[in-house]
Amino acid sequence: AQKITQTQPGMFVQEKEAVTLDCTYDTSDPSYGLFWYKQPSSGEMIFLIYQGSYDQQNATEGRYSLNFQKARKSANLVISASQLGDSAMYFCAMRERYGGANNLFFGTGTRLTVIP
Amino acid sequence: EADIYQTPRYLVIGTGKKITLECSQTMGHDKMYWYQQDPGMELHLIHYSYGVNSTEKGDLSSESTVSRIRTEHFPLTLESARPSHTSQYLCASQSGQPLIMNTEAFFGQGTRLTVV
Repeated sequence: AQKITQTQPGMFVQEKEAVTLDCTYDTSDPSYGLFWYKQPSSGEMIFLIYQGSYDQQNATEGRYSLNFQKARKSANLVISASQLGDSAMYFCAMRERYGGANNLFFGTGTRLTVIP
Repeated sequence: EADIYQTPRYLVIGTGKKITLECSQTMGHDKMYWYQQDPGMELHLIHYSYGVNSTEKGDLSSESTVSRIRTEHFPLTLESARPSHTSQYLCASQSGQPLIMNTEAFFGQGTRLTVV
């Protein structure tokens, strides 16, 4: 079974609007961390935001916020006030506490295109 | 800005050639990883290391090999390149604190390998 599922292969958003990128996860480990990365066309992976499974509040980092719904096992990324530079691939990832290698499991990604 | 570097950024090479992809980090991280990523697809872990003289295979089977003789250096080698090895290879490192969930992995800019 997929540990991370991103059901939106591509998303479009108007500049200055907000957009939500979906991510659901699957784990039986009570302790885990969720990450979002941005991958521009240049190829590098840029860390955006982290949410721990025991965190009481949703994580926020500037224009990025994470809508964490633990019971639904979802960790959607919200980007407010979209900018042209936000156009990129976005990957959701999860690390399980006892997952061996402390590995990051990645979803298939969502390609976000910001329209001027 | 992360201090992890990959060389070369782009490599086009003929079938049967031996290649080594370099990855170096100056953060003193114990854990290092190699991911393989086809265009527009998710990242798959192919190798990881917990520290010097430690190397393990990841979730995705790969014909490549790795070595970890120094903390800062984690090269990946293909003894005989084939067109099926064409992909992007991403190197990452992470602080070695055990079971610390919120330490993100830092990624290099990737090597885009094309085998003709």
